[in-house]
Amino acid sequence: DSGVTQTPKHLITATGQRVTLRCSPRSGDLSVYWYQQSLDQGLQFLIQYYNGEERAKGNILERFSAQQFPDLHSELNLSSLELGDSALYFCASTPSWGSSYNEQFFGPGTRLTVL
Amino acid sequence: KNEVEQSPQNLTAQEGEFITINCSYSVGISALHWLQQHPGGGIVSLFMLSSGKKKHGRLIATINIQEKHSSLHITASHPRDSAVYICAVRGGGADGLTFGKGTHLIIQP
Repeated sequence: DSGVTQTPKHLITATGQRVTLRCSPRSGDLSVYWYQQSLDQGLQFLIQYYNGEERAKGNILERFSAQQFPDLHSELNLSSLELGDSALYFCASTPSWGSSYNEQFFGPGTRLTVL
Repeated sequence: KNEVEQSPQNLTAQEGEFITINCSYSVGISALHWLQQHPGGGIVSLFMLSSGKKKHGRLIATINIQEKHSSLHITASHPRDSAVYICAVRGGGADGLTFGKGTHLIIQP
């Protein structure tokens, strides 16, 4: 158990809908990363937050957004869902940011299915 | 943008064999991660390296910064080692990881 929690585990929804995925980092970790794993693209970095502020953006679509709250949990919002958004979404946490020595601890993932 | 290549893509071996998985990347990095993903989907961090070699149990990871290459070795392989092994690299600063496509390892009893 990495100490990172994600809810829900599974989510099934329809095209055009909006969903919110939740991540709670390890106790004491200030930085949260979101990743998407799809069959065709593999694992991709989406976005990073540190202590409530956005730090880095990867291949995140404009239909997707995220935020990190004062209690350090993070939410990834996916809107106008398309079939191609079906994927495993992982979050990971680290104690800080910008350090080469931060190991990333991954949550169990949320499996999103868009029908 | 860093390109991360792993080889082989698929590997089937017999229990007890010595396993090597390779990873190469195109641009200088600050750290390289080896991750393990089991069929259930969860990702476990095995190693984080910025230089040299690390060992944990039957797993050994090495990195050659000059050659932009890393290897993951498994000694005395066991069926429970069957999983996808993913190499990921991190540049400096706050960027997230860039991942290889993974190596699907099957160890047969």
